[in-house]
Amino acid sequence: EVQLVESGGTVVQPGGSLRLSCAASGFTFSIFHMNWVRQAPGKGLEWVAYITDGGGTTFYADSVQGRFTISRDNAKKSLFLQMNSLRADDTAVYYCVRGEWFSGDYAFDSWGQGTLVTVSS
Amino acid sequence: EIVMTQSPGTLSVSPGERATLSCRASQSVSTNLAWYQHKFGQAPRLLIYGAATRATGIPDRFSGSGSGTEFTLTISSLQSEDVAVYYCQQYANWPPLTFGGGTKVEIK
Repeated sequence: EVQLVESGGTVVQPGGSLRLSCAASGFTFSIFHMNWVRQAPGKGLEWVAYITDGGGTTFYADSVQGRFTISRDNAKKSLFLQMNSLRADDTAVYYCVRGEWFSGDYAFDSWGQGTLVTVSS
Repeated sequence: EIVMTQSPGTLSVSPGERATLSCRASQSVSTNLAWYQHKFGQAPRLLIYGAATRATGIPDRFSGSGSGTEFTLTISSLQSEDVAVYYCQQYANWPPLTFGGGTKVEIK
C-alpha cells in the first residue's frame, strides 16, 4: 500500500524558516516525480513545487519561487520542502503528493494526510 | 498561466439523483484534465484523468467528459459518501499546475 506521511508542520513566526519532510513507503520512490500541494484555511488546492525522480529538475509556483526549495533523498525514500522567509499567506496544510504518468496524462495519484504550517506572531 | 473556473460553488442534490459539475479552462487544455475528490479531514483522491478515464477503484457512477475548455464531472446517482469538495486540475501547460476553485457537493 502506498503511504506518504508528512511531518514538520508547526507554528512559526513571519520571516522564519521551516523544513517539511515526507516519508514514502509501499512503492519504488526513486522512479516517481513528486510534488507539494497546499490548502490554506477555507481555500482550495494550490500546487507548490515539483521535483523529478532523480531530483535534477524542479519547478515552483510563482508565490513561493525563491523562498521554497524542494528536494529528495531517494536512499531514504524521503521528500523535503525547505521554506524560508515565511509569510502569513503561507499558512496552510501541506500535502506530499505522488505524480504518475498514465500514457501521456499526468495526475496526482497518491496524497499524504498533510501537515499544518501556521505562520503567525 | 491557465486559469481554471468551476461552477457552481455549491451543489445540493438529493440522494440517488444526478450531480453535474462544470470546469472551464481559460485556454484549451485538450483532454489534459484531472478531477479530485476531497472529503473533510481526508487526503484528496484522484477520480478522473485524461478528462474521462476513471482512476483505479473509482466507482462507475463517476464519469468525466469534455475537451478543450469545457469539462464536466457527473455523479450519476449521488450517495451520502460522495459529499465532498471536487476539484478540476489542468496539466496541459505547466508549470504551474493549476486547480479550479472547487465545487462543494452536499445532500439536499
